[in-house]
Amino acid sequence: NAGVTQTPKFQVLKTGQSMTLQCAQDMNHEYMSWYRQDPGMGLRLIHYSVGAGITDQGEVPNGYNVSRSTTEDFPLRLLSAAPSQTSVYFCASSRTGILTDTQYFGPGTRLTVL
Amino acid sequence: TQLLEQSPQFLSIQEGENLTVYCNSSSVFSSLQWYRQEPGEGPVLLVTVVTGGEVKKLKRLTFQFGDARKDSSLHITAAQPGDTGLYLCAGEEGGSEKLVFGKGTKLTVNP
Repeated sequence: NAGVTQTPKFQVLKTGQSMTLQCAQDMNHEYMSWYRQDPGMGLRLIHYSVGAGITDQGEVPNGYNVSRSTTEDFPLRLLSAAPSQTSVYFCASSRTGILTDTQYFGPGTRLTVL
Repeated sequence: TQLLEQSPQFLSIQEGENLTVYCNSSSVFSSLQWYRQEPGEGPVLLVTVVTGGEVKKLKRLTFQFGDARKDSSLHITAAQPGDTGLYLCAGEEGGSEKLVFGKGTKLTVNP
């Protein structure tokens, strides 16, 4: 198993550009989520999904869209990048809920918006 | 949003010393998790505590959940350089399936 994979590993965008951060898992996990990590801020939940076709907002959803068309993939879309979205983005997955099963994190995508 | 406060924010100690880091909130959590994160990697789950007063041990690491389920501590005995990393606590917002993270404690263990 590859676990949770994220692409790209690094990305530089200009203000106003759009892009999609990819996240995939091969463990048949139902629960997937996206976090951003900023210096001194810990991890903050952006969006999450409890299964294919179901998504919901987390703590900081503005400026981001998600969809979950398959169990394996959970892409995060930045519609119009802003410097405030410069961060490290982590995708995570767990078999069912976040408390009943271990949540596995991907290696992260480091995004810089100029 | 419920808040989790971690202390200290930074901790630098010598190999062999003991240490305790704290995770506190004014809110009750149904459970708390502790993660360890190394530079350039995602967090890795260490433990989940769910019962007030619960104590769990993982080799030299001891985790405790407060009786009122508002706080937790992580104690490391005889720290080693391999323990160096960012320690994060996280709690679930009342059955919401959403995790709230503390800001973390950055631990450095010097040889």
